[in-house]
Amino acid sequence: DTEVTQTPKHLVMGMTNKKSLKCEQHMGHRAMYWYKQKAKKPPELMFVYSYEKLSINESVPSRFSPECPNSSLLNLHLHALQPEDSALYLCASSQEGDNPNAPLHFGNGTRLTVT
Amino acid sequence: DAKTTQPPSMDCAEGRAANLPCNHSTISGNEYVYWYRQIHSQGPQYIIHGLKNNETNEMASLIITEDRKSSTLILPHATLRDTAVYYCIVRPYNTDKLIFGTGTRLQVFP
Repeated sequence: DTEVTQTPKHLVMGMTNKKSLKCEQHMGHRAMYWYKQKAKKPPELMFVYSYEKLSINESVPSRFSPECPNSSLLNLHLHALQPEDSALYLCASSQEGDNPNAPLHFGNGTRLTVT
Repeated sequence: DAKTTQPPSMDCAEGRAANLPCNHSTISGNEYVYWYRQIHSQGPQYIIHGLKNNETNEMASLIITEDRKSSTLILPHATLRDTAVYYCIVRPYNTDKLIFGTGTRLQVFP
C-alpha cells in the first residue's frame, strides 16, 4: 500500500474518448508530479505542480492536460490519445518540490491502454 | 544534470548482502544521491538518500565515497522480495525534478 492513491488502476480508452486519471495524497505535501512509464523503461517526468501551480511541463503534447484542484488532488485529463500513449502513468508527491532533501512518494499507477 | 551509471543487472543469493554500485562522477557539491526501487507492476519505492555522509535506515545503507563520485546501496540480508529494478538518481539542487536513469535489475535467488 502507498500513501499516494491513484484511480483507476486500469483504463482502456479509444482514440476519440476523453478520460481523466486521478491522484490523491493526504500527507500535506505541496508538490505533485505526473510520470509516464513505458514497458521496460524508466519513468519519464511529464509535469510538476508546486503549491498548486504548474512549475514544470516537460514538453508534453497538449492531448495531456494536468489539473491541480487543491493541494491534495492531481488530475490528468486525456483527449484524442494515440496507441503509443499506452503506458503506466505514475503520480508522486513530495513535501516541497524544490527541496532536494524531500523524497518523492509514488502511487502504484494507472495502466492505460489506448485502442 | 549529473548522470549516473549503473550495471544493467546483478544477482544475489538470498540471505547475503546485495551491494549495488553507482557512478556519478559529475555530481555537484549540493546534489543529493537518491535510491529508489521498482518491483514489477508497482510504483517506485523510496529507499534512502544522502548528500555526503553515509546513511542507514531500516531498509538499506548508503555508502558515498569521500570524493562523492560514486556510491553503493547495501541491502544487508537480501530476500526474494528484494528482486526489483534499483535506480540511483542524482537530484539537482533547488529543482522540482527527479530524473530516472536505466537502473540495475537485481535478481535474488534462493
